[in-house]
Amino acid sequence: EAGVTQFPSHSVIEKGQTVTLRCDPISGHDNLYWYRRVMGKEIKFLLHFVKESKQDESGMPNNRFLAERTGGTYSTLKVQPAELEDSGVYFCASSPDPATVRTGELFFGEGSRLTVL
Amino acid sequence: GDSVTQMEGPVTLSEEAFLTINCTYTATGYPSLFWYVQYPGEGLQLLLKATKADDKGSNKGFEATYRKETTSFHLEKGSVQVSDSAVYFCALMDTGRRALTFGSGTRLQVQP
Repeated sequence: EAGVTQFPSHSVIEKGQTVTLRCDPISGHDNLYWYRRVMGKEIKFLLHFVKESKQDESGMPNNRFLAERTGGTYSTLKVQPAELEDSGVYFCASSPDPATVRTGELFFGEGSRLTVL
Repeated sequence: GDSVTQMEGPVTLSEEAFLTINCTYTATGYPSLFWYVQYPGEGLQLLLKATKADDKGSNKGFEATYRKETTSFHLEKGSVQVSDSAVYFCALMDTGRRALTFGSGTRLQVQP
């Protein structure tokens, strides 16, 4: 069974440009999460989808970030326009249901590294 | 708000040495506690967990005990191997939340 896949693995863009990150969760996992690790600091929660609905987007830093999950399958995270402080590693994770999340077992992708110059 | 504090790395050990990675937390409710590990080129994966005070989580020779009195969840292993080289993240999930709160991660390097 395929795990959580993310791409691109690394993206280098200039300040002001747009980048779209994609996450394909494990098939059948309704819950999809985005997290971000900036400058080797803690991994911070961005948002949570249940199927195609945003369950919690309290971690989204500002309106330059837009996440979508059309059809409840894969998800995209768009940053427009990108700023220097957006550089970091963006992780996607999935789980089959919220009960699993309460026990902490999320299945993570390898992350997409974003470098904004 | 909730927070997790880990010792800074990198931690460099020789093979078969004893490992301790400290983790303390702040939470408003009754959190569950976790250690996640990220091996090179891979995603994070759950290493072990504890859901209530005095519980001990264990896996692959690693152990951590949920200490409510000291708000700690230190990771230990009696004899590390080169293959344990990775980044270790302490995390919590507080009651009423559905998202994990992570620490900043500790890189472990084990030398042969």
